[in-house]
Amino acid sequence: EAGVTQFPSHSVIEKGQTVTLRCDPISGHDNLYWYRRVMGKEIKFLLHFVKESKQDESGMPNNRFLAERTGGTYSTLKVQPAELEDSGVYFCASSPQPVPGELFFGEGSRLTVL
Amino acid sequence: DQQVKQNSPSLSVQEGRISILNCDYTNSMFDYFLWYKKYPAEGPTFLISISSIKDKNEDGRFTVFLNKSAKHLSLHIVPSQPGDSAVYFCAANRGGSEKLVFGKGMKLTVNP
Repeated sequence: EAGVTQFPSHSVIEKGQTVTLRCDPISGHDNLYWYRRVMGKEIKFLLHFVKESKQDESGMPNNRFLAERTGGTYSTLKVQPAELEDSGVYFCASSPQPVPGELFFGEGSRLTVL
Repeated sequence: DQQVKQNSPSLSVQEGRISILNCDYTNSMFDYFLWYKKYPAEGPTFLISISSIKDKNEDGRFTVFLNKSAKHLSLHIVPSQPGDSAVYFCAANRGGSEKLVFGKGMKLTVNP
């Protein structure tokens, strides 16, 4: 069975540009999460979907970030316009059960904003 | 304000010896704790967890101890193997929340 897949694995953009990260969760997992790790710091929660509904987006840094989950399947995280402090690794995770059940993480999308 | 703290950034041990990874938390509302392991260029993978109603949970070579009064937990790996070399993240959850609150991680190196 395929795990959580994320695309792109690495994106380098200039400040002010737009980037869209995609996450394909494990099939059948209703819960989908986005986390971010800035260099050397803790992994921080961004938001949580149950199917296509946002349950908690309290971790989203500001309104430059927009997450969607079309039809309860894959999810996208758009950053527009990107700022230098947005650089980091964005992890997507999915689970069949709510936390504190085990989360299955993807490999992450590394974003570098120059 | 960091609610989950892993104060040691790294640990190096010899193969076959015990590895002890420590984690402290500040939020007394946390009632579930987890450890995740992360290899380079991979996502974190779940290792072991413990509920606040317990003080110990064991799974093979991995044991997690919880001291609620001290707001402290530790992960013991015995015996340590070179394949255990990775970054280990401590995480905590408060009942009713879908968030995991992670620490900064600690890099474990097990030398052959």
